[in-house]
Amino acid sequence: DQQVKQNSPSLSVQEGRISILNCDYTNSMFDYFLWYKKYPAEGPTFLISISSIKDKNEDGRFTVFLNKSAKHLSLHIVPSQPGDSAVYFCAAYSGGGADGLTFGKGTHLIIQP
Amino acid sequence: SAVISQKPSRDICQRGTSLTIQCQVDSQVTMMFWYRQQPGQSLTLIATANQGSEATYESGFVIDKFPISRPNLTFSTLTVSNMSPEDSSIYLCSVEHNREAFFGQGTRLTVV
Repeated sequence: DQQVKQNSPSLSVQEGRISILNCDYTNSMFDYFLWYKKYPAEGPTFLISISSIKDKNEDGRFTVFLNKSAKHLSLHIVPSQPGDSAVYFCAAYSGGGADGLTFGKGTHLIIQP
Repeated sequence: SAVISQKPSRDICQRGTSLTIQCQVDSQVTMMFWYRQQPGQSLTLIATANQGSEATYESGFVIDKFPISRPNLTFSTLTVSNMSPEDSSIYLCSVEHNREAFFGQGTRLTVV
């Protein structure tokens, strides 16, 4: 059973608009969440994270929101740029990461001109 | 931050052979993780490698197939043994450093 779910395999957004990528989780022990960005033929690179003690974290154009009661987090990209076209992975871990990361299947974001 | 150098970046191997993937980190880290990403799937944890102890393998992965070495706090290797086409995948090493996760560049393995 998937503990981290990204239900949209792909998302198409017009350049300049807001991109919203969603992620749901089932394990209530997760206490740290991360988003990764992956270009083809490259390893994923860390984008932004959020601790379970917060509900929002911003870094430039990227904001992650966490709704613990709904076990839901989202990544907002504003404004969307062509270079944002990539696969975005939501990941989570618990207890300091000793068990490694649990990843979603990824959402392919396509920014259209 | 932590910078990870992973080698090789890609390889094409004959079935039945073995490939050893190396990861070198520029910082001392306690734990290193090895992941696999099969086509169309998310990253799957293969094993956790702690320096000075045996690696801990996830369900579905065994030491005979994926032996791991962790001789010091900055280096680890993963060997994919007796390869079959089903082992074609991207293999990634990762470390957690100051609560952030860092990945190597990945090894794209194709088994023919």
